[in-house]
Amino acid sequence: DGGITQSPKYLFRKEGQNVTLSCEQNLNHDAMYWYRQDPGQGLRLIYYSQIVNDFQKGDIAEGYSVSREKKESFPLTVTSAQKNPTAFYLCASHRDRTEAFFGQGTRLTVV
Amino acid sequence: KQEVTQIPAALSVPEGENLVLNCSFTDSAIYNLQWFRQDPGKGLTSLLLIQSSQREQTSGRLNASLDKSSGRSTLYIAASQPGDSATYLCAMRGNNNDMRFGAGTRLTVKP
Repeated sequence: DGGITQSPKYLFRKEGQNVTLSCEQNLNHDAMYWYRQDPGQGLRLIYYSQIVNDFQKGDIAEGYSVSREKKESFPLTVTSAQKNPTAFYLCASHRDRTEAFFGQGTRLTVV
Repeated sequence: KQEVTQIPAALSVPEGENLVLNCSFTDSAIYNLQWFRQDPGKGLTSLLLIQSSQREQTSGRLNASLDKSSGRSTLYIAASQPGDSATYLCAMRGNNNDMRFGAGTRLTVKP
């Protein structure tokens, strides 16, 4: 059935490592988003993409990178330049003026 | 950049009470507004979407209103139940398709 799948559910990163979070949707949605959520706080926009091969920085893009080579996929790489990456990461998508849907999130922890 | 504020940050009510959650935004040039629910450690579940041309939307015991001129939206929950306990988030989608969130209202409904 249709939806947004984020993987893995839990991810552990060593200091200085790059890690990639996966977000896949089979809803035929054009727009996709990445957010970061810290404990007890709202969602902060990292990157978003409206079409394939195009994306825009959000409010906290430093230390992160994305690609949008396929409509269905919008992976997020957390680079070693992100000094405090421990957080809950959420991916969302929508089509045109319709409602946005979210994946179940990836919890990233630095060890 | 759109700033979104939610008041109150937390709310505790007895079961059966009607309640109102507030969301305010700084830029009236919005595309639409969406209310979400988030359970602890989970992704977001869409509740209601209001387009910029609409004044309100209803789904079951939920009613959301939008007043662009005053930069406000409210989520009204009728006859609250313990199962309504969660964090409620509002999100504004701007005309360039960015989507920004308030910090949320944490609701507890006591039996």
